[in-house]
Amino acid sequence: GAVVSQHPSRVICKSGTSVKIECRSLDFQATTMFWYRQFPKKSLMLMATSNEGSKATYEQGVEKDKFLINHASLTLSTLTVTSAHPEDSSFYICSARDFGTGPYNEQFFGPGTRLTVL
Amino acid sequence: AQTVTQSQPEMSVQEAETVTLSCTYDTSESDYYLFWYKQPPSRQMILVIRQEAYKQQNATENRFSVNFQKAAKSFSLKISDSQLGDAAMYFCAYRSAVILGAGSYQLTFGKGTKLSVIP
Repeated sequence: GAVVSQHPSRVICKSGTSVKIECRSLDFQATTMFWYRQFPKKSLMLMATSNEGSKATYEQGVEKDKFLINHASLTLSTLTVTSAHPEDSSFYICSARDFGTGPYNEQFFGPGTRLTVL
Repeated sequence: AQTVTQSQPEMSVQEAETVTLSCTYDTSESDYYLFWYKQPPSRQMILVIRQEAYKQQNATENRFSVNFQKAAKSFSLKISDSQLGDAAMYFCAYRSAVILGAGSYQLTFGKGTKLSVIP
């Protein structure tokens, strides 16, 4: 099956620093990638949708300048949390849409990245 | 906008027994897709089962089956012969079949149901 990886799986940083999270589709081309945020015992909250080669579309309430998304190729999207603060601590999950899965256009999820900002 | 409601925050089931997780949704669309995802303690989201709204037949995947009631906008998941490995958070999700712009293919998730399996 289609595999999506995320790196790093866990990161701890100091307040004020920037952190980059990578999302890769390993065995398929991902025209669209999605970034989610999940708080403990909560559901996934969509942050943004990124299409390869174009600007990401952010959900209402998500700060574009704080959460920079780059989808430079069909297999890689990055989320950069700029000037991170403790309230940005969360679990970040990416998913990728396989262009060739027919009508379902199924999303495949990465294993997530735990961000802790001290 | 579509909404997905899972009214059972937590459920438990005895090993080898059957459990049903509830999901209702609200939409004005006639064509869409519905999904159940499993999130075990590892936090990896795993697709359990999916259903196309225009198909009347309920989807089945081994021990997992759904009861799709389109008129009632209900999409429940039945797990038969429950196993310890079934313990996880289960999320119901909706996706529109309409492909329009950047918002296409987005999933709308319910709040989840935590399933515990008792040995």
